[in-house]
Amino acid sequence: GAVVSQHPSWVICKSGTSVKIECRSLDFQATTMFWYRQFPKQSLMLMATSNEGSKATYEQGVEKDKFLINHASLTLSTLTVTSAHPEDSSFYICSARVAAQETQYFGPGTRLLVL
Amino acid sequence: AQSVTQLDSQVPVFEEAPVELRCNYSSSVSVYLFWYVQYPNQGLQLLLKYLSGSTLVKGINGFEAEFNKSQTSFHLRKPSVHISDTAEYFCAVSENYGQNFVFGPGTRLSVLP
Repeated sequence: GAVVSQHPSWVICKSGTSVKIECRSLDFQATTMFWYRQFPKQSLMLMATSNEGSKATYEQGVEKDKFLINHASLTLSTLTVTSAHPEDSSFYICSARVAAQETQYFGPGTRLLVL
Repeated sequence: AQSVTQLDSQVPVFEEAPVELRCNYSSSVSVYLFWYVQYPNQGLQLLLKYLSGSTLVKGINGFEAEFNKSQTSFHLRKPSVHISDTAEYFCAVSENYGQNFVFGPGTRLSVLP
């Protein structure tokens, strides 16, 4: 149980284009989903927290207009990197949490390469 | 604000040897503690967690960790490692019951034949 999937696993795009990454909880309903970013050989940095049906809460320094997060249902959250640039290249990982539970379950990650 | 320190960025160890990966945290309130493992190009998999109760926590793949409140530590141990344990290990702290995870910088465990 508690499986989280992400799609796509890999994406390569040209600078200036937008990329959408999906995060799904497959066998549970996630009231909260989190988006992290991980640079090579570094730890995970929380970008934003989203609760189903409400606006995401962004961490300091994360541009909300650049990283659009939608959490339209209890099993799906999307992260859209708008007008991507090479510096946005990174490993993006989502996690999901059930209400009143202490554990976050992580997806397999999406590697984004912007050329 | 909470923070997590993993003093060892890399730990090489021979197969079947014991290993300890260190994690220290700082927080002004009670915390929940987690260890996650990350294999190359994959997400994080939960190894074990401490919420309350017994300070010795057993997890998957033969790992265990001990919570020490006075030393604000949560070190991960395994008595005999395998090649397949080679991965990145992250310690995480949450003050807010599953929200606001703060991760340590990670320790790369390399198990040598």
